Amino acid sequence: DAGITQSPRHKVTETGTPVTLRCHQTENHRYMYWYRQDPGHGLRLIHYSYGVKDTDKGEVSDGYSVSRSKTEDFLLTLESATSSQTSVYFCAVGLAGGRGWDNEQFFGPGTRLTVL
Amino acid sequence: AQSVTQLDSQVPVFEEAPVELRCNYSSSVSVYLFWYVQYPNQGLQLLLKYLSGSTLVKGINGFEAEFNKSQTSFHLRKPSVHISDTAEYFCAVSDRIWGAQKLVFGQGTRLTINP
Repeated sequence: DAGITQSPRHKVTETGTPVTLRCHQTENHRYMYWYRQDPGHGLRLIHYSYGVKDTDKGEVSDGYSVSRSKTEDFLLTLESATSSQTSVYFCAVGLAGGRGWDNEQFFGPGTRLTVL
Repeated sequence: AQSVTQLDSQVPVFEEAPVELRCNYSSSVSVYLFWYVQYPNQGLQLLLKYLSGSTLVKGINGFEAEFNKSQTSFHLRKPSVHISDTAEYFCAVSDRIWGAQKLVFGQGTRLTINP
């Protein structure tokens, strides 16, 4: 399972409140990703990281920020949650694939966030 | 920008029947294709991937997919499905396989196996 945990696994919050989701990995992988999953949209990339303090935006980054101060932790923050951010959030890490130079992504168990 | 279209949102089949889940992608100079499976209340698991070489790719759990460049397709097949194959399946594409890999996913196909 690539040693990925996400916390919390479920959260209900109110519109306008800040929310932070945590992704923790135990195997020292360089690349980490945050996706959101919504019906009819599949998964969409929010932000990703290619090292400590190195992050970049994905396809749907508006309203989200990230931080990575340690290799093992990648935090996703909703500064002021809105109902449109109700979703299931998945963290992934990038691992070397079978050929050694190709990357594969392994996904965490997900966090279900409801914004009322 | 890359895009992926999964042509069926739901596919019901009977147990032991064959199944094909369809995936089309937007053309690009370099394309790397993946199929992931998501069992209920779980994260995604890689089924198989096409990077280069043989266009027929075999994955886990008896699944295979064929890369067709002229039709920009990467359909997933299994000759005989089992109840345990009930899940949602996602096709994904990337324009790179080294470094930070930004996957673009299709909308998903829910496969339901009936006894």
